[in-house]
Amino acid sequence: QVQVQESGPGLVKPSETLSLTCDVSDDSFNSHYWGWIRQPAGKGLEWIGRMYTRGTPAYNPSLQSRVTTSIDTAKNQFSLKLTSVTAADTAVYYCARVGEDGDGFDIWGPGTVITVSS
Amino acid sequence: QSALTQPASVSGSPGQSITISCTGTSNDVGYFNFVSWYQQHPGRPPKLLIYEVKNRPSGVSGRFSGSKSGNTASLTVSGLQAEDEADYYCSSYTNIATVIFGGGTKVTLL
Repeated sequence: QVQVQESGPGLVKPSETLSLTCDVSDDSFNSHYWGWIRQPAGKGLEWIGRMYTRGTPAYNPSLQSRVTTSIDTAKNQFSLKLTSVTAADTAVYYCARVGEDGDGFDIWGPGTVITVSS
Repeated sequence: QSALTQPASVSGSPGQSITISCTGTSNDVGYFNFVSWYQQHPGRPPKLLIYEVKNRPSGVSGRFSGSKSGNTASLTVSGLQAEDEADYYCSSYTNIATVIFGGGTKVTLL
């Protein structure tokens, strides 16, 4: 079964840029859409954006001005950058695979905890 | 985009059935049959229970079923068991090619 693993810095200072990576263990990297989702402690899920190796990414309109994503096909790796972070960006960040039929995130990483604090 | 509307909490006795609603608009839930449901236990990532309104991934118990009417989708959990105590989230594709989640519903056993 495909393995997904997020990684990040853990702690980011306010106003700085958060950089996250998502490593995918197999070739489903190239054949599926992938998404970033975050969850502040004790709160609900928020969709950040969608990536695909052969398409244009899509982002949550509320975050679009601060989000960029990139793909490294040689490493089977997705990256997310979120600029000008504030305490409101403190959350667990997940990378997840969209299922074969194009709906539903069927494989999730364990998540990486990001805290924004000085 | 505003979150889909779910009840904050739903409770039921072991063996009973519960239904969680997920209300959106004609731009999301009502627009596509791309509604999915997730179960999340504390400290764990979400687990996909239902996709495309009513389809179950392989390995998901048949006690979970999904439906939709207009702008409202529903998840029914039959034969409630202790391990069903968790948070549940709905999500929908939208007409601007984004995804939106519901606020989440905490299910507790009486």
